[in-house]
Amino acid sequence: DAGVIQSPRHEVTEMGQEVTLRCKPISGHDYLFWYRQTMMRGLELLIYFNNNVPIDDSGMPEDRFSAKMPNASFSTLKIQPSEPRDSAVYFCASSTGPPRVSGYTFGSGTRLTVV
Amino acid sequence: AQSVTQLGSHVSVSEGALVLLRCNYSSSVPPYLFWYVQYPNQGLQLLLKYTTGATLVKGINGFEAEFKKSETSFHLTKPSAHMSDAAEYFCAAGGSQGNLIFGKGTKLSVKP
Repeated sequence: DAGVIQSPRHEVTEMGQEVTLRCKPISGHDYLFWYRQTMMRGLELLIYFNNNVPIDDSGMPEDRFSAKMPNASFSTLKIQPSEPRDSAVYFCASSTGPPRVSGYTFGSGTRLTVV
Repeated sequence: AQSVTQLGSHVSVSEGALVLLRCNYSSSVPPYLFWYVQYPNQGLQLLLKYTTGATLVKGINGFEAEFKKSETSFHLTKPSAHMSDAAEYFCAAGGSQGNLIFGKGTKLSVKP
């Protein structure tokens, strides 16, 4: 079991550029979550999917953020255009069965710095 | 709305001392409760979870937590702290929307 795989591990980009973060969930997991972590705001749920369908995107900060899950083994989180306040660690997590019962497995995160 | 409250954003203990990290939840339904640990520059790892059954739950690395319904608490303990326990700890509860509700985290420092 390779766990939840996120890429890249680190991303430095200039303000205004498009950024794409990638996630491969654990095989067989049918829930996928995107979180953002900052010192000021802690862990924030951005969006989550069940069977590739977005269930709750109320945490997505604004229209600059979008997420897709084209198939069960891949998801992307895109920021366009990026801003310095988007600098954070972005985590992907996956779960099998009801997440509120089974919990999540987290990836190692992508540290995004927007300059 | 459901919430998870962790008392103390920072806790410092001496090596060998008792570790006690506090977590209280609000829930109108039987809760599912979790503790996660985050080491520097890593993702969150599951330490232990309570679903049903025994109220004292044992996890990895010698940690355990006790579910107390009357106190709506799920405090995390370890009898003897080790330097390697220094990390951030997150309490979480199963939310009514299907996801987990996380507390704000407690950073544990261990002094030699």
